[in-house]
Amino acid sequence: AQTVTQSQPEMSVQEAETVTLSCTYDTSESDYYLFWYKQPPSRQMILVIRQEAYKQQNATENRFSVNFQKAAKSFSLKISDSQLGDAAMYFCAYRPRNRDDKIIFGKGTRLHILP
Amino acid sequence: NAGVTQTPKFQVLKTGQSMTLQCAQDMNHNSMYWYRQDPGMGLRLIYYSASEGTTDKGEVPNGYNVSRLNKREFSLRLESAAPSQTSVYFCASSEAAGFNEKLFFGSGTQLSVL
Repeated sequence: AQTVTQSQPEMSVQEAETVTLSCTYDTSESDYYLFWYKQPPSRQMILVIRQEAYKQQNATENRFSVNFQKAAKSFSLKISDSQLGDAAMYFCAYRPRNRDDKIIFGKGTRLHILP
Repeated sequence: NAGVTQTPKFQVLKTGQSMTLQCAQDMNHNSMYWYRQDPGMGLRLIYYSASEGTTDKGEVPNGYNVSRLNKREFSLRLESAAPSQTSVYFCASSEAAGFNEKLFFGSGTQLSVL
């Protein structure tokens, strides 16, 4: 069975500093997609960044970047220049390439930004 | 605003009562999902529907039923509510399968079963 593991239930970072959130996954598939979603206190889910498994290049979106290590099945999220608005729950998610397969989420990491 | 609309936003039930959570999207998406979110458990998939007329079980389907009434609507029914079903429920729909997939979520339903 495919699983997504986020080993850090909570993390804190000083404003303007850099923080890395960890995510590992287990799958026998070779082609899949990985995502990071953000859930602020409003409960809205927001897509932060996504990665295709067959692409070696790590995805970046402004201050957000990933470190994708396919062999290690690791997909960490780096947030640079942390801002107060980054405080949220962050979920790592996985989906096989097969269009009928569902998206599996990790348990989440709650990120606190310290002013 | 276009998006995913869930009703109700809050609900309190007594054990054994039934209710239906409604979800509608106006983005012409094929895929729709129901998740539950519990502290420390993340988002767990209850049921999903890859297209109109099809539904499939997710990770935690026991105690729930779903109906994909048409392309827009995907409802979740609790036939006999239990305290273990106290949770926040999210409906979602997706733009496209695969890399371009982006889940659009409703605002959630806070359900308490006493």
